[in-house]
Amino acid sequence: GAVVSQHPSWVICKSGTSVKIECRSLDFQATTMFWYRQFPKQSLMLMATSNEGSKATYEQGVEKDKFLINHASLTLSTLTVTSAHPEDSSFYICSATPLSGRAVSYNEQFFGPGTRLTVL
Amino acid sequence: GQQVMQIPQYQHVQEGEDFTTYCNSSTTLSNIQWYKQRPGGHPVFLIQLVKSGEVKKQKRLTFQFGEAKKNSSLHITATQTTDVGTYFCAGPKNFGNEKLTFGTGTRLTIIP
Repeated sequence: GAVVSQHPSWVICKSGTSVKIECRSLDFQATTMFWYRQFPKQSLMLMATSNEGSKATYEQGVEKDKFLINHASLTLSTLTVTSAHPEDSSFYICSATPLSGRAVSYNEQFFGPGTRLTVL
Repeated sequence: GQQVMQIPQYQHVQEGEDFTTYCNSSTTLSNIQWYKQRPGGHPVFLIQLVKSGEVKKQKRLTFQFGEAKKNSSLHITATQTTDVGTYFCAGPKNFGNEKLTFGTGTRLTIIP
């Protein structure tokens, strides 16, 4: 199946610092990448939708200046949590939808392994 | 906004017993997807249902899409320890939209 990687898998940082998370589609080109946030024992909450070469679209209530998204190519999207605070501690997961041919359904999403962020 | 609720929130079953999770959307869905997330892992796509009243089977898993396309269910027959995890349904935020709204999830625990 289509493989999505994330780096780093976990990160611990001090309050006030910025953290960059990378999401890569390893064996396919992705039209769209999505960024989710998941708190312990809760569901996935969509934060933003990232399309290559254009600005990301953010869900209501998500601060675009705090969660900077860059989608530089069809295989790479990055999420930067700026000036992180303890309440930003969470599991951040990206997903990608293939250009064509790799998915069972047109909007099947392939998820990365996630990045666990802990802000002290 | 669109809400997708699942019941139960948690389910503990004896190995070999059956398990069912129900998914209800506040809006009509063009399709519904099911994902499984193992403890400590990431969601993995299981299946997509598109037609009203559709039923699909994958070995011991049976998926159903309601006639009104607002609800769905996942039934597992004779659970095994490998079935442990959280099962999420997910539907498009709007018709033809790639964005998904995930359900609240049902966490399945198997008692050996």
